[in-house]
Amino acid sequence: QTVVTQEPSFSVSPGGTVTLTCGLSSGSVSTSDYPSWYQQTPGQAPRTLIYSTNTRSSGVPDRFSGSILGNKAALTITGAQADDESDYYCVLYMGSGTWVFGGGTKLTVL
Amino acid sequence: QLQLQESGPGLVKPSETLSLTCTVSGGSISSSNCHWGWIRQPPGKGLEWIGSIYYSGTTYYNPSLKSRVTISVDTSKNQFSLKLSSVTAADTAVYYCARNSYDYYYMDVWGKGTTVTVSS
Repeated sequence: QTVVTQEPSFSVSPGGTVTLTCGLSSGSVSTSDYPSWYQQTPGQAPRTLIYSTNTRSSGVPDRFSGSILGNKAALTITGAQADDESDYYCVLYMGSGTWVFGGGTKLTVL
Repeated sequence: QLQLQESGPGLVKPSETLSLTCTVSGGSISSSNCHWGWIRQPPGKGLEWIGSIYYSGTTYYNPSLKSRVTISVDTSKNQFSLKLSSVTAADTAVYYCARNSYDYYYMDVWGKGTTVTVSS
């Protein structure tokens, strides 16, 4: 079964830049996997940040950006703020109407 | 503005069937270019895609849950539903419904989630 990999945790200083990645246990992530990214704070539903690799969802600040870096999808936060401290999940479209979530990255801003 | 709301029992006994409904408001469940899906999150763990359905009734399931999952749609009520059979404590989770955009293959609208506990 396909496994989508993410860093379990990451930390960034306020104002700093951090790049979270999303890979596949076997193979490379490409735009054809339509990577999307979601932010989740405790007790809340996920919030859609990025879809189709690099398109920001409505209302998402431009300090969030998506890309393909090497063989992985990437979410970059530029100028991190305290309220960016959250869990971040990537999702890949596997075709045939199915999706797989990554395990999530817990981002700490300190 | 499209909104999704999950509803159903918060407590289910082991070996029984979990049943949840998602009510869609502010839009039609019969829209093209989108599916309607279920995602869950066990306590302290990550998100897991369960499956989704098109308004026509075509379904798509996570292979790891496929033998126990049934998703159905009622276009007259603008609702879709999840049934998960033979539940165990491992099925305890927050269950979310979401709209899956088929224009760009992502979850663009989420419900707030509902907690289901499996316990006797």
